[in-house]
Amino acid sequence: DIQMTQSPSSLSASVGDGVTITCRASQSISSYLNWYQQTPGKAPKLLIYAASTLQSGVPSRFSGSGSGTDFTLTISSLQPKDFATYYCQQSFSTPYTFGQGTKLEIK
Amino acid sequence: QLQLQESGPGLVKPSETLSLTCTVSGGSISSSRYYWGWIRQPPGQGLEWIGSIYHSANTYYNPSLKSRITISIDTPKNQFSLRLSSVTAADTAVYYCALHQWVVENYFDYWGQGALVTVSS
Repeated sequence: DIQMTQSPSSLSASVGDGVTITCRASQSISSYLNWYQQTPGKAPKLLIYAASTLQSGVPSRFSGSGSGTDFTLTISSLQPKDFATYYCQQSFSTPYTFGQGTKLEIK
Repeated sequence: QLQLQESGPGLVKPSETLSLTCTVSGGSISSSRYYWGWIRQPPGQGLEWIGSIYHSANTYYNPSLKSRITISIDTPKNQFSLRLSSVTAADTAVYYCALHQWVVENYFDYWGQGALVTVSS
C-alpha cells in the first residue's frame, strides 16, 4: 500500500494568515493526489484533484501543487470557515489511501 | 444536484454482518461516467477506502477488508450497497458513500452525510 504522510498534524493560525500543508507519498504517485476538507460532523469535501485542479465552487484562495512524492495545499488569507481538518488522498493505485489529516485551528 | 444518502442499522452485534445502502438521487447510478464508493472513518480517526463499484458490477476492494466485504449495485432502485461480515469493535465507524469519478482523474466527488455504525453486543 502507498503510505501518505501529512505535516504538520495540527496547525494554529489566525484569520487572514496564509498556511501550507504538506503531503508526502511513500512512492511516486505522479499527480494522482486529492485534497479534502472536513468539518466536525460533516462528510469530507473535495477541494483539489489531480494535485492542482480546483474543484468547481472552491474559492481561489485554495491551491495545490506538487508531483511525484511531494505535494502541498496552500490556503491564502484564511477565512473563519477554513478552520477544519484537511486530508490528502492518493488515487494512483488501489487501495486508495489517505493521509492522517491536518487539523487547522484558530490561534 | 446529485445527492447520496446512506441508510441501515446503527448498531450491529459482533460477528454479525453490517449492511448499508446508499440511495442516489439527481443522477443515474448506471451512468458510464461514474463509479460508486464506500469510505469509512472510525471515531476521531482518519479515512479508509473500503471499495468501489461500477454500474456493470465491476468491483474494487481494499485488500485489508476484501475477505469480508461485498459491494453490490441495484440499478432499478438507483442504489448500491455494502455488506461487511464478521464485524468487530474495530469496524465501528462512520460509513460514507460517495460518487467516485474515475475517468482520467480519480477522486471522490459527492459524498453522503455518513452513517454511524456501532459494533457492540
